[in-house]
Amino acid sequence: DAKTTQPNSMESNEEEPVHLPCNHSTISGTDYIHWYRQLPSQGPEYVIHGLTSNVNNRMASLAIAEDRKSSTLILHRATLRDAAVYYCILRDLYSGAGSYQLTFGKGTKLSVIP
Amino acid sequence: KAGVTQTPRYLIKTRGQQVTLSCSPISGHRSVSWYQQTPGQGLQFLFEYFSETQRNKGNFPGRFSGRQFSNSRSEMNVSTLELGDSALYLCASKAQETQYFGPGTRLLVL
Repeated sequence: DAKTTQPNSMESNEEEPVHLPCNHSTISGTDYIHWYRQLPSQGPEYVIHGLTSNVNNRMASLAIAEDRKSSTLILHRATLRDAAVYYCILRDLYSGAGSYQLTFGKGTKLSVIP
Repeated sequence: KAGVTQTPRYLIKTRGQQVTLSCSPISGHRSVSWYQQTPGQGLQFLFEYFSETQRNKGNFPGRFSGRQFSNSRSEMNVSTLELGDSALYLCASKAQETQYFGPGTRLLVL
């Protein structure tokens, strides 16, 4: 799987938007971009994923650069519950007949300040 | 639907012992993956089971094994425990592009 680069940590004030960047300059045309987050003492939680177009769901938005070499996870209004480690992961669409593993990096630790 | 459940949540073993961890996926999910999380190595993929067959395996020694039953529940076993096996063991069930993780089993090897 292609490598991603994320800042080690970020801070945000509560109720403000947060933009979490991810660089993936070696992304291939068949790589999905996934975001998961892990709250303290919990298992990872799916946030959002996309291939080429920007995506929105109830948790967040995913903005994908036109050349797909970077993406940004947007939390529209940070709450204290959003304090977590956020992982940006690439997943090859055509890996192993439906079988794939998630390769987690170190992620970005987001702190939310009340 | 109920989420992914893992038992036990906490476990203490001593070196040389073996351990079996259990995972019940979300109802209807046939794929179960296992991951190990340690402070030093982060989250690492162990293996994936689908319809009782292992179809993907990470880079772990043969002491780590697993199986899946016909109801999709899965177990992983670690034999001859080492201190370095102390970790949070996570399982995840999968539906299309989304993996749903359980809360994990925290294993401490003394």
